[in-house]
Amino acid sequence: DAKTTQPNSMESNEEEPVHLPCNHSTISGTDYIHWYRQLPSQGPEYVIHGLTSNVNNRMASLAIAEDRKSSTLILHRATLRDAAVYYCILSNTGNQFYFGTGTSLTVIP
Amino acid sequence: DVKVTQSSRYLVKRTGEKVFLECVQDMDHENMFWYRQDPGLGLRLIYFSYDVKMKEKGDIPEGYSVSREKKERFSLILESASTNQTSMYLCASSGWPGRQGLAGSPGFFGPGTRLTVL
Repeated sequence: DAKTTQPNSMESNEEEPVHLPCNHSTISGTDYIHWYRQLPSQGPEYVIHGLTSNVNNRMASLAIAEDRKSSTLILHRATLRDAAVYYCILSNTGNQFYFGTGTSLTVIP
Repeated sequence: DVKVTQSSRYLVKRTGEKVFLECVQDMDHENMFWYRQDPGLGLRLIYFSYDVKMKEKGDIPEGYSVSREKKERFSLILESASTNQTSMYLCASSGWPGRQGLAGSPGFFGPGTRLTVL
């Protein structure tokens, strides 16, 4: 089953853009790429998802490599409220939805 | 607003007790999921259901069972609680039809139940 690899932690200054990378070299053609984030003592919160094309929503942008073996979540202007653990997840037709250990993002005021 | 609720935020049980964790969603979603979250291990799928009375095992179903008698409610049952089941339990739902589950649509998570088994 396809899994993802993310850095354990990243830091960003407030109001600067943040690029969170994710590698998924064994992705299959039917896997969607999802990003969720989780604040302490809360359930994960949906951020964005895509299949092949780059995606934008009010929270973030998702840039997907042409070969789909990697993707990047882009927060355009980090705020203190964006400090969280960010999960990059692949989902396939077997209904398996694998969360790894994610990237812990620290936003520095 | 979309909502997934879980019956308890905190629960303390004794070894050997039967434990019921309830999850309710108000979005008319077909798919519901139970995960547990442990430090360093991320979220691990226990069971999921893509329709009423339908269930499938996830990665770690041992020691757990589930029940989905109504579309909006998905229950996780610990038949005989053990200390290694102390964890944060998270319920989620998704509206993507069929067995695609969370594949093509956003998933919505409840706030979690922190279960301690003594």
